[in-house]
Order: sequence, then C-alpha cells, then structure tokens
Amino acid sequence: QKEVEQDPGPLSVPEGAIVSLNCTYSNSAFQYFMWYRQYSRKGPELLMYTYSSGNKEDGRFTAQVDKSSKYISLFIRDSQPSDSATYLCAMISYSGNTGKLIFGQGTTLQVKP
Amino acid sequence: DVKVTQSSRYLVKRTGEKVFLECVQDMDHENMFWYRQDPGLGLRLIYFSYDVKMKEKGDIPEGYSVSREKKERFSLILESASTNQTSMYLCASTLQQGIRYEQYFGPGTRLTVT
Repeated sequence: QKEVEQDPGPLSVPEGAIVSLNCTYSNSAFQYFMWYRQYSRKGPELLMYTYSSGNKEDGRFTAQVDKSSKYISLFIRDSQPSDSATYLCAMISYSGNTGKLIFGQGTTLQVKP
Repeated sequence: DVKVTQSSRYLVKRTGEKVFLECVQDMDHENMFWYRQDPGLGLRLIYFSYDVKMKEKGDIPEGYSVSREKKERFSLILESASTNQTSMYLCASTLQQGIRYEQYFGPGTRLTVT
C-alpha cells in the first residue's frame, strides 16, 4: 500500500464548477500537508500549505485536513480554464532532521470553457 | 522570488553515456532534491542533500549518483545511461525553518535515452 493515495483522474468539469480533489494517507505521524499545481511541461509549484487539522483558505482555493480520517482535500471554487493542471498532494516525512516530501500520484484536472 | 534552474530543458543521450544534470538555486537553501517523474508512477525521490558534500539516497538511487560541492549547486549523474532512465527529472530546493517548509522546483529536464 502506498503511503499517499490520490486518484489520478482525469477529472473534467465545466467552467465555474466547484472542484474537489482528495488524498488519503496511511502514516498518522504526518502533520504537514501541501498541495502543488503542475502545468504541462513545467515543474510543480506550491499552492497551499497546512499544518495539522482544519481548513485554510486562499482566494478560490481551500485546503482541508481531517487527521482522524487521514484524508485531505483541496477545493477550487468558480473553477477557470487556467486551473487546468495536475494537482499533487504531498506530506512531509523526516529523515533525521531533513524533511522530505511524499507525493500522491497527482490528479489531472481539465476545466472546460 | 526563489529561483531553481536546471541546465537543460531537453536532452537526448545514447545508451551507455555518462550524463550530468545540473541544478542551481539562488536562495541559500540547505536542502536540495532530485526526483524523476513518470506517467502513472508520480514523483519519485532519487537522492537528496542536506548540506555541502552530504547526500542521502532516496527511494530509487540505483543507477544514479550525485554531487554537491557548493551549496547552490546539486548535480545528478547517470553513470551509464539506460533506456529505462528516459524520464522527466526535477530538481527542488527547500526552505526548512521550524514548521515552515517550502519546496521549490526547477522547470525540469526531459531526458531521452536512445
């Protein structure tokens, strides 16, 4: 079983829809959770970062963490064609004092005009 | 803005060649990482470095080595390239301070081994 599971999609929605992207994880020690966005042929860029449980909002994006269920979500409101990308969840695992990221496989999102 | 640059966007090499992929960051970060990304497999960690001349193996280090002679530069070396090393290679640089953790990626190098 992978430490982080993410449905690869693809997910196709009409412009303006609310999008829900999700990941599950198995290691209850994870405390830091991130979402990256990756456009085609580009490197991933950090979108949202949350610590422990709860919600964090940034514009049209909301990151939600439910540690009791080992489940994290990213919601995109009023989705735009420019949101079309692959979204990767990630969690920090420590090797000594060095944090390294464990990534989900990524979900490909297409927002149709 | 943090900048992570990689020496090439596209590279074509022959089987058996020694290949060098270079990565440079301009933010004085301690930690740097090399990943490869393949369809259906996601991002997989090859090696990382937490200080100059210090390195640790990631999940898939076989067939690769790394070099970090200066803080800003982290090189990935394919000792003898093989076709199964055809992939997108991504370098990342990380700010780690207390609970703050931010990993920044370069644009990637798409390597084809023929």
